[in-house]
Amino acid sequence: QKEVEQNSGPLSVPEGAIASLNCTYSDRGSQSFFWYRQYSGKSPELIMSIYSNGDKEDGRFTAQLNKASQYVSLLIRDSQPSDSATYLCAVNGGGSTLGRLYFGRGTQLTVWP
Amino acid sequence: EAGVAQSPRYKIIEKRQSVAFWCNPISGHATLYWYQQILGQGPKLLIQFQNNGVVDDSQLPKDRFSAERLKGVDSTLKIQPAKLEDSAVYLCASSFGGQNNQPQHFGDGTRLSIL
Repeated sequence: QKEVEQNSGPLSVPEGAIASLNCTYSDRGSQSFFWYRQYSGKSPELIMSIYSNGDKEDGRFTAQLNKASQYVSLLIRDSQPSDSATYLCAVNGGGSTLGRLYFGRGTQLTVWP
Repeated sequence: EAGVAQSPRYKIIEKRQSVAFWCNPISGHATLYWYQQILGQGPKLLIQFQNNGVVDDSQLPKDRFSAERLKGVDSTLKIQPAKLEDSAVYLCASSFGGQNNQPQHFGDGTRLSIL
């Protein structure tokens, strides 16, 4: 059973701070990694994808991947109250389950003014 | 570009009844997915279609769940008979291809409550 674990949260940070969200995965064959944001009662929205080791930046968001440690993270700089949501880490299944995404339970982030 | 369309948004039924959900993917997306998201958990894949063929249905409870995508575009997911544990949000997603690097885009989902 392929597993994706996220820090359980909830995570609470003040406006303007850096929010750090972490995720580990069990399948060494995984090649693609995604972060989704999900507001309460809404569907998951793709915010970042990363495929290679290192950092990938997009605006206030930075995804970091370390395949050797089977670890992926998301940093949100200058956090805003509108960033308050649940963040889902998703990892593709390698091998015979290519294409299938495995999701973590999500980390609930609250940014307070 | 229009997103993934799903209907209905909400559905309330009694256990042992049947229910069907509909999904229209993003235009041009060959791959369509149905997920089940139970409250407090991440989405879990039920079935994946590539055009009108099933690629992965290993996690679909086939004794009560069925899905089809007859013309390679729209899809329906059916539950018959429903159980209390089927209460969840059913999400449809689509991607351009089924390769592992293709991001999946989700619809708004159908929130199903079983009484």
